[in-house]
Formats: sequence, C-alpha cells, structure tokens
Amino acid sequence: GDSVTQMEGPVTLSEEAFLTINCTYTATGYPSLFWYVQYPGEGLQLLLKATKADDKGSNKGFEATYRKETTSFHLEKGSVQVSDSAVYFCALNEGANFGNEKLTFGTGTRLTIIP
Amino acid sequence: AAGVIQSPRHLIKEKRETATLKCYPIPRHDTVYWYQQGPGQDPQFLISFYEKMQSDKGSIPDRFSAQQFSDYHSELNMSSLELGDSALYFCASSAPSRAGLLETQYFGPGTRLLVL
Repeated sequence: GDSVTQMEGPVTLSEEAFLTINCTYTATGYPSLFWYVQYPGEGLQLLLKATKADDKGSNKGFEATYRKETTSFHLEKGSVQVSDSAVYFCALNEGANFGNEKLTFGTGTRLTIIP
Repeated sequence: AAGVIQSPRHLIKEKRETATLKCYPIPRHDTVYWYQQGPGQDPQFLISFYEKMQSDKGSIPDRFSAQQFSDYHSELNMSSLELGDSALYFCASSAPSRAGLLETQYFGPGTRLLVL
C-alpha cells in the first residue's frame, strides 16, 4: 500500500537557519504530493503541493520538488522564522480516474525555531 | 474565504456514551473526508463521502458511522465510546473533481474528543 516516510523530529533550529525536512514515499501509481502544516492547537493547513514529476510547489518561502526518480518530496526553506514553529506533515494522494481519494500522511516533524 | 466548519470544537464524554461530530464543508464542495489524529500521531483516514454516497472507507471502527446529507454537511456518529477514541477528529472537504484531476482537501479546525 501507499506510505510516506518522514524525517523524524523534533527539529530545533535557530532563526534564519536553512531548513530541510526529508520526505520519501511509496505508491503504486503517480500520486500527488502535499505538505501540510499544523500550528499549535490548530487544524491542518495546506502549505504546498505538486501533482506531477518535476513540479515544484512553493508557498511562504517554503519549496518542495516532486522527484520521481528518488520518490522524494523534501521540504526546504532558506531562512526560517520563529513563526514557522509547527508540525509539518508530508502526504500523498493517489487519486482516481473519477475523483478524489484519501490522503496518506507521514508521521509529522515537529519544528521549533529559537530566536 | 469560507472554510470548513466543525462542531463542537471540544467534547468530553464518558466511556460507553455516544457522540456526534458535525462538519460543514466549504460551499460548493461535494466531497467530505473524516480523519482521526491520536495524540502525537499522524492523521488516519476514517471515511469519505462523495455526493452523499460513501466513497471510501479506512480504519473506521464498526462502532462509528457517518453520513452526508443533502446540503453536503456530514456527521460522524460514535457509539460505545472507549478511552482510545480520545483524539482530534478532522473533517476535510474538496471541490468537484474535474476530469479525474485531484482536488485539494481543505481541513477544518478539528473536534477534540476526550473520553473519560
């Protein structure tokens, strides 16, 4: 079945540091890939997505590139801020010919940025 | 912009009681998903509905049932509650699919259920 493997946390960085959170996936077809972010006490928010190989998703300074050859979708940000402290989930969705399907999530990576 | 609405936001129940969680999707979204997130865990898919019909089923206990109504809102009914049911329950909705293209799921803030 489908699965997502994420870099284990927690990750603690200083403000303005470079961030990478690794994500690799296993899927039978050609999934769409997502990063969701969960701030303390809140729900899941879509951060970025990519729907096909070599697509790059980007939002709020975060980027991730869909790499089919390495089955990866690593999240990066050049200069993190304290407000980026949250839990980050990598997810995939296989989709279907006729509509949508469930998301399969990784275990989440807790990121803490210290001033 | 309108978001997914979930109610209640917090719920405390005793063991063996029942609970009903409600989800109001974004207007014009026809697909609803339910996920369960245990403490420190990743969200696990429970069940989904498309155009008021169940479209997919995940690891949902037999004690749970759900439906989608004519106005597209959905309710998750949980009976004979157990301590292990304590979790954050998310609802997500997505727009009508266009020619097999995937539509992004937008999540609500969740209902935090505590079973004592």
